[in-house]
Amino acid sequence: AQSVAQPEDQVNVAEGNPLTVKCTYSVSGNPYLFWYVQYPNRGLQFLLKYITGDNLVKGSYGFEAEFNKSQTSFHLKKPSALVSDSALYFCAVRDGGGGFKTIFGAGTRLFVKA
Amino acid sequence: SAVISQKPSRDICQRGTSLTIQCQVDSQVTMMFWYRQQPGQSLTLIATANQGSEATYESGFVIDKFPISRPNLTFSTLTVSNMSPEDSSIYLCSVRGDEKLFFGSGTQLSVL
Repeated sequence: AQSVAQPEDQVNVAEGNPLTVKCTYSVSGNPYLFWYVQYPNRGLQFLLKYITGDNLVKGSYGFEAEFNKSQTSFHLKKPSALVSDSALYFCAVRDGGGGFKTIFGAGTRLFVKA
Repeated sequence: SAVISQKPSRDICQRGTSLTIQCQVDSQVTMMFWYRQQPGQSLTLIATANQGSEATYESGFVIDKFPISRPNLTFSTLTVSNMSPEDSSIYLCSVRGDEKLFFGSGTQLSVL
């Protein structure tokens, strides 16, 4: 069975500072890893994914994430946070070895203060 | 990419009644996924709907409570039956494309 852990319920960062939102995963096969963002009163949007290849993946709105197989982590990062980045972020995983279900972490609320 | 139209966007329902949520996709897809997002919580997969076969339900979800229809490759419905206040949630339909999920805008359900 696969699972995702987001250890922080909330992350607070000042505008202009770098941000990191943490995620660790467990899956029996090859991990397909994703980050999604949910803005207030809006639907869930895809940010980025890791399927294979380069461990550092870049996504929308200047976000990036690094796949670390030994630590089973996929932390989301951005060099310089914006107030508009304030939202709920979900890490998700799917078993790439034929799995069809995507399992989501509990979510981390990001607050960026001006 | 896929564009998903989901309706209703929100509803307020009385205890004991049922609500059917519709999900229309602009392209043919093999699987459609139904998720629930309880207030302040993560997304939980309810079931996977395949065209031409019964839906596959996750642990804790049963067909009698959440019957699903999948009459063709672009459409699905989820019914929340015999509702109680504990069913108050956002319900989302989703499809997969290019290895990622696309979501409808969600149905915010409040049960009184």
